[in-house]
Parts: sequence; structure tokens; C-alpha cells
Amino acid sequence: DTGVSQDPRHKITKRGQNVTFRCDPISEHNRLYWYRQTLGQGPEFLTYFQNEAQLEKSRLLSDRFSAERPKGSFSTLEIQRTEQGDSAMYLCASESLWGRGAGDSYNEQFFGPGTRLTVL
Amino acid sequence: AQSVAQPEDQVNVAEGNPLTVKCTYSVSGNPYLFWYVQYPNRGLQFLLKYITGDNLVKGSYGFEAEFNKSQTSFHLKKPSALVSDSALYFCAVSNDYKLSFGAGTTVTVRA
Repeated sequence: DTGVSQDPRHKITKRGQNVTFRCDPISEHNRLYWYRQTLGQGPEFLTYFQNEAQLEKSRLLSDRFSAERPKGSFSTLEIQRTEQGDSAMYLCASESLWGRGAGDSYNEQFFGPGTRLTVL
Repeated sequence: AQSVAQPEDQVNVAEGNPLTVKCTYSVSGNPYLFWYVQYPNRGLQFLLKYITGDNLVKGSYGFEAEFNKSQTSFHLKKPSALVSDSALYFCAVSNDYKLSFGAGTTVTVRA
């Protein structure tokens, strides 16, 4: 257990429905990331937050996707009007910025167990 | 953009034999390289990282990795593999804070 939790662990939905996933990072971790992993591939970056600010979004994140981290703690990822191509494992990771200088990027990220989405 | 490649989809070894999982990287500037392991139905677990300094990095569960700048490689190694090491291994490079992962290598250690 890395200390990062995700809910639900599995979600089956019908095409066109909306779904929302939650991630609870390690307490006091400043950075929170969302990745998507499809079968046979490594995780791909979707978006990340520093505290409550969303600092970057991947081109993979279409307009149907939205993420929030309202109080700089937990985060939600919502997918509207789901499509079969959205079926994947959605991973959340958190990272602490403490102890490193600005501009460094070498702290490890701690990953949650993921939410597996199946769109029928 | 930074990227990594894992040339082997699968690695099979006998328990007790050395294990090597290969990774090559392509970066501009200094590489920040990571290895993660993923067990079935579990999230990725951090094994080790290379930031700077000693080219031989030691990590969790007896794993180590050798950074080779001239060959742009960062291979993961374990001197004596265990059946419990069977899992999916990912090499990653830090790319403006976000991680870019390889496609993964499935390691099977047979008893």
C-alpha cells in the first residue's frame, strides 16, 4: 500500500453515461497526477495539479474530461458522455515537493491502485 | 521530448539466476530515470531512481540499475531472481515533472 487511494476500483458503465473517479493522495503531498493505462501500454500522462491549481493538461484529455482538486487535497476526474475508447485503467499519483529546489523533477511519484473503467 | 524504450516485451528466467530488464532513454539535458513495478490488480510501486552521481543505483527488493550515459541505457538488474519478482516492470523518465513510461516488460521467474 503506497498510501494513495482511489475509488471506485472498478466501474462498468454504458456508452454515453458520465462517470467520476476520486483520488486521495498521501497527506500533504503538493502534486497530484492523473495517468491513463491501456492494455499492453505504459501509463500516459493526463493532467497534474500543484495544490489546487491545474498546471498542465495532455492533448489526450479531450473536452469530455475534467479534473478538479478543490482544496488541494483529494482530486476527482470526470468523464462525460463516455465512449468505448475511454475503457482503461485510470491511475492517480502524488508527489511531495518538500526537500527539493524549484525546477527539480526527481522525487518519486506514489501511485494508487487505479480505477478500471469499462465502457459497454 | 524525453522518452524511454523497453526493447523486450517479455523476460523469462529461472529462479536463482540473474535478471536483467533493459531500458534505453532519449533526453535533452540531464536524465531523471525511474523504475516501477506493477503486480496484478495493484498500482505501480517505485523501485529506484537515477538523478545524478553514482552510476549504480540500489533500490527496493534487492534491485539495482546501472546508468550508462554513452549507451543511453538504464538497465534494471537483480543478481538472483525470485518467483515473487514475476511482474510487469516499467522504465520511466521525468519529462517536465510528468513521467513518460516505456511499454513495460513482463518478467516471469520460473521455479
